[in-house]
Amino acid sequence: EAQVTQNPRYLITVTGKKLTVTCSQNMNHEYMSWYRQDPGLGLRQIYYSMNVEVTDKGDVPEGYKVSRKEKRNFPLILESPSPNQTSLYFCASSRFPGELFFGEGSRLTVL
Amino acid sequence: DQQVKQNSPSLSVQEGRISILNCDYTNSMFDYFLWYKKYPAEGPTFLISISSIKDKNEDGRFTVFLNKSAKHLSLHIVPSQPGDSAVYFCAALTGQAGTALIFGKGTTLSVSS
Repeated sequence: EAQVTQNPRYLITVTGKKLTVTCSQNMNHEYMSWYRQDPGLGLRQIYYSMNVEVTDKGDVPEGYKVSRKEKRNFPLILESPSPNQTSLYFCASSRFPGELFFGEGSRLTVL
Repeated sequence: DQQVKQNSPSLSVQEGRISILNCDYTNSMFDYFLWYKKYPAEGPTFLISISSIKDKNEDGRFTVFLNKSAKHLSLHIVPSQPGDSAVYFCAALTGQAGTALIFGKGTTLSVSS
């Protein structure tokens, strides 16, 4: 089954404690991207990657890092999480940038 | 500044009637537009898209219209069904070679039976 898998699905953490949200896709897609969804703000792009070792900033990259060492994986790293990073995060992939397959989301709470 | 705007946060429609969801954009360089649908506790799913070389694209009950001069697109759902109740996001491709996808804030559609 074609899917984008994110882990963890739910996480409560504290300010400053580094965390990683993993994302893996099994469709051999070149393009991957991270979004955050906040009430009243819709979906905002954090980072995207056109292919292995190629990443670029989206609209709201501050406080986040990504890496793309393998085609199937695109982890999102919060080096020092802060409460304003409390959000619902989605990873997505596609063969081309437009028609994305999304994961089920990771709800992160930073206290 | 918001480049993709969905000015109606919500829309209520009766089953069987037409639902029209609207989206405006500000950047005339956008050349590919998409609609996504999102149910609670799930990720968004791709619904339909349109290239700027077209003014209409149809897929079953869903039709997207593009008016480039007005920088406006709309999604028509006919007939609307209760299962269509969801949040609908409009999105536009931008960036070098269309590498970044910008979403609107979404419109919540409620279809009552």
